[in-house]
Amino acid sequence: GAVVSQHPSRVICKSGTSVKIECRSLDFQATTMFWYRQFPKKSLMLMATSNEGSKATYEQGVEKDKFLINHASLTLSTLTVTSAHPEDSSFYICSARDGIRVTNEQYFGPGTRLTVT
Amino acid sequence: AQSVTQLGSHVSVSEGALVLLRCNYSSSVPPYLFWYVQYPNQGLQLLLKYTSAATLVKGINGFEAEFKKSETSFHLTKPSAHMSDAAEYFCAVTLNQGGKLIFGQGTELSVKP
Repeated sequence: GAVVSQHPSRVICKSGTSVKIECRSLDFQATTMFWYRQFPKKSLMLMATSNEGSKATYEQGVEKDKFLINHASLTLSTLTVTSAHPEDSSFYICSARDGIRVTNEQYFGPGTRLTVT
Repeated sequence: AQSVTQLGSHVSVSEGALVLLRCNYSSSVPPYLFWYVQYPNQGLQLLLKYTSAATLVKGINGFEAEFKKSETSFHLTKPSAHMSDAAEYFCAVTLNQGGKLIFGQGTELSVKP
């Protein structure tokens, strides 16, 4: 149980285009999902916290207009990188928290490697 | 504010040797602490977590960690390293259930044959 999937696993896009990354909780309802960014050989940086049905809360320094987050259902959150540039190339990881079980554990997706050319 | 420091960005051990990965935390209230493992190009897998029950926590793959409040530490150990343990390890802290996870810088573990 507690499986989180991400799609796509890898994506290459041209500079100036937008790309959408999906994060799904497959066997539980995720009232809260988190989006992280990870640079090579670096730790995870929390970008935003998204609660189902409400606006995401962005961390300081993260551009909300560039990284659009939608959490329209209890099993799906999306991250859209708008007008992508090469510096947006990174590994993006989502995590989800089970809304039914009272736990502080987050379940992580396998990540999406974004390359902007 | 809470924070996590992992001492040593890279640790190398021989197969069969003891693994010790260090994590110190800073928190004004009793924290919840986690250790995660990440293999290349993959997400994070939970190894173990401390949630104020037993101070010695046993996790998967033979790993364990001990919460020491006096030392503000939560070091990860494994008695005998396997080649398959080679990966990146992250210590993380949160203050409350469902709160944001704050990650340490990560420690890359290499295992030599």
